Amino acid sequence: DTAVSQTPKYLVTQMGNDKSIKCEQNLGHDTMYWYKQDSKKFLKIMFSYNNKELIINETVPNRFSPKSPDKAHLNLHINSLELGDSAVYFCASSPFERGAGETQYFGPGTRLLVL
Amino acid sequence: RKEVEQDPGPFNVPEGATVAFNCTYSNSASQSFFWYRQDCRKEPKLLMSVYSSGNEDGRFTAQLNRASQYISLLIRDSKLSDSATYLCVVPTGGGSYIPTFGRGTSLIVHP
Repeated sequence: DTAVSQTPKYLVTQMGNDKSIKCEQNLGHDTMYWYKQDSKKFLKIMFSYNNKELIINETVPNRFSPKSPDKAHLNLHINSLELGDSAVYFCASSPFERGAGETQYFGPGTRLLVL
Repeated sequence: RKEVEQDPGPFNVPEGATVAFNCTYSNSASQSFFWYRQDCRKEPKLLMSVYSSGNEDGRFTAQLNRASQYISLLIRDSKLSDSATYLCVVPTGGGSYIPTFGRGTSLIVHP
């Protein structure tokens, strides 16, 4: 069974469109994250939720809106897509609130290409 | 100093070699440190965690130097399958809870 899953795996879309990426974890973890990995492979945290509550929000344009309907799911909605949004988006989860001090488990990534 | 810095490499070594990477960090309050491995077009996976002075797991040894604010990863007897990017993670932020990744060090092990 996949521990952290993301859909879709690939997403190709036009500038200006709105798209969503979904993430689910079956590990029973309390904390979930969204990361962006750009073309230079730099992995940067965007958001973190603990038990459906936003705890990290790192200088991300407000076109990006995370939503956590329950602690096993964390979705990412992106409005008005721009070329610079092209990247790989990783979801991750960890067992504790101060998740930075614990192991994170990553999903397989969603490769977003904005044309 | 950047929050977490790594030499991007690539480190190109023959099978059987010993190779070491360093990762420097700026937040002196950080208490836990991690090395992740990322294969091409895959997700990062935990390799080792370091909570005190160091950790060893088979051919891999992680060392922490708090005075100089760096952690190192030593790989002995390199295998072809060790070829990957190695990412250092250090919690940063006021409450030391933001996981901050280094840019990664690329390792290529050749026959």
